[in-house]
Amino acid sequence: EAGVAQSPRYKIIEKRQSVAFWCNPISGHATLYWYQQILGQGPKLLIQFQNNGVVDDSQLPKDRFSAERLKGVDSTLKIQPAKLEDSAVYLCASSRGGKNIQYFGAGTRLSVL
Amino acid sequence: AQSVTQPDIHITVSEGASLELRCNYSYGATPYLFWYVQSPGQGLQLLLKYFSGDTLVQGIKGFEAEFKRSQSSFNLRKPSVHWSDAAEYFCAVGPTENNDMRFGAGTRLTVKP
Repeated sequence: EAGVAQSPRYKIIEKRQSVAFWCNPISGHATLYWYQQILGQGPKLLIQFQNNGVVDDSQLPKDRFSAERLKGVDSTLKIQPAKLEDSAVYLCASSRGGKNIQYFGAGTRLSVL
Repeated sequence: AQSVTQPDIHITVSEGASLELRCNYSYGATPYLFWYVQSPGQGLQLLLKYFSGDTLVQGIKGFEAEFKRSQSSFNLRKPSVHWSDAAEYFCAVGPTENNDMRFGAGTRLTVKP
């Protein structure tokens, strides 16, 4: 079974630029999560999708972050414009939904200069 | 609100020595508890989980954890550490009302030869 795929692995941008990350979850997993992991901290949930609907986006900075999962499969997370404090690893995870285990991708490491 | 505390930011042990990583949680009901490991540049890999039943849980790579309700703890143990165990370890508790989970800040494990 293929794991959660994320791209790119690394991205370096200047502040005020825009950036997008892509995630392809495990086949058949209805729930998809985006986490932000700042250096030295645990992952923090940004947004959770159930199929193509948003379950929880309470911690997503909506003035600059957006995410979509239009067909209920893969997802994109966008930041526009980026700030220095957005430098972090962005992790995507998926699960079968409900209280099932989350499986994580390798993450995208973003550096904002 | 659900929360997780990992009191030790960094632990160093000698190869072959025993290991215990501490995790304390705050949760209103019976929690689901998880330990994940993250190697440099990698995503999170599930080591073990507790949902219910036997409070001593066996995981992969020779790890185990014990759920102690009276102490609100879920400490991770390994009898003999290998150099390859050097990584960041995260404890997590769930489910939240959205079937998500909360992560601790992590404990970085260094293994001395």
